[in-house]
Order: sequence, then structure tokens, then C-alpha cells
Amino acid sequence: DAGVIQSPRHEVTEMGQEVTLRCKPISGHDYLFWYRQTMMRGLELLIYFNNNVPIDDSGMPEDRFSAKMPNASFSTLKIQPSEPRDSAVYFCASSLGGSGANVLTFGAGSRLTVL
Amino acid sequence: AQKITQTQPGMFVQEKEAVTLDCTYDTSDQSYGLFWYKQPSSGEMIFLIYQGSYDEQNATEGRYSLNFQKARKSANLVISASQLGDSAMYFCAIGGGIIFGKGTRLHILP
Repeated sequence: DAGVIQSPRHEVTEMGQEVTLRCKPISGHDYLFWYRQTMMRGLELLIYFNNNVPIDDSGMPEDRFSAKMPNASFSTLKIQPSEPRDSAVYFCASSLGGSGANVLTFGAGSRLTVL
Repeated sequence: AQKITQTQPGMFVQEKEAVTLDCTYDTSDQSYGLFWYKQPSSGEMIFLIYQGSYDEQNATEGRYSLNFQKARKSANLVISASQLGDSAMYFCAIGGGIIFGKGTRLHILP
């Protein structure tokens, strides 16, 4: 398996533009997580899905952020409109099971810079 | 709500010495898992070790061991015989890896 695949790896955009980050989880994994990592706030959980259904989106910072998982092999995180404070590394991770013993496999991350 | 606290923002350790990275947690769940992940300067997140709340034995994986003290709600990571390649950020997490601590940056000195 190729692991969790994220794209783009790097994105530089201007304030106000729409940003779409993409994630392909490991085949067969039924949980998918989106995290945001910054120096100030560390690694924050934004949202997670189970069998394509959003379970907890309480970490999504505001309405400018939205996430979808239309099928088991694809998820998107969209920011519209983007702001400089959204600059961060966004990680997608997937796991098999959610019993509390599930090991997350992370993607390489998408580094977003909003000018 | 679950919470992870890592009180050591940074540590410097001489190569070949043992290292203990602190982690305390808070949860109302009776059954839970505790995890440690490593993030080298290249940025990827690497799973190191897992401990279940009902596991009686402390988990070990090669040079990594988890010192689990349930009554104190602590899950410290011990790295034996540290190597230069151990220099990285280390994150403690609880649940399905859902909630992470702020991390500890470990520097191994030659």
C-alpha cells in the first residue's frame, strides 16, 4: 500500500482565495482524521469521519472550513476564503477501527501558506 | 473530554543516555489507549508505541518502552541508549490517536 496520500504537498495562495486539500486514505481503513499543526497551537484535531460520515467536527475553527468524504477513498478539506492565520501544515490520517486502540497512519502533510 | 499534558517543551540529552519524556492525561473513559508518535525534522508522523488502559504489562518496542502508571494518569516514554537519530519532536496521544499533547522536542548531543 502506498500509505495515506495528500495533495498538494505545498500550497501558496493569497488571502481570500479558496484552498482545497485532498487526502486518499489507506484502502480498508474506516476512520479518517484531519489535523492542523502550527507552532503556537500544536497538533489540533479538526474533524474525523467513520465510514465516510463526519463524527466530530467540533475542532473546525469556523464556517470558512469545510470537509467532505464522498467515498471511502477520498476526502477534501476546503478553506474559503483563506486568511493568513490559516497558514499551517494540514495532516490527514487514517486508521482501522476506532476503539481507542487504533494506530493512526499519517500522510506527509500539506503545507499551506496564505499571503 | 480528554486531555494530554506534556510539560517538557525541550530536552537535551547526551548520546547513549536513557531519556524519559513525560506525559500525563485526563479522561473519563474506563477503556482507552495511549500512544506515542515521533516527528523528525522532515515532518512525517511516525507511530512508536501503544499502551491499552487494561494492559497489565508496560508496552515495549525495541528501545522504546512506556512507563504506564494508571493511578497517576501518566504514560511516560522511555528511550534507552539514545541515538543521534532520536532527535525529533515526540507527541503523546490518547484515544484513537485523536487528542495530542503539545509535544517535547528532544535533542541528542554527540
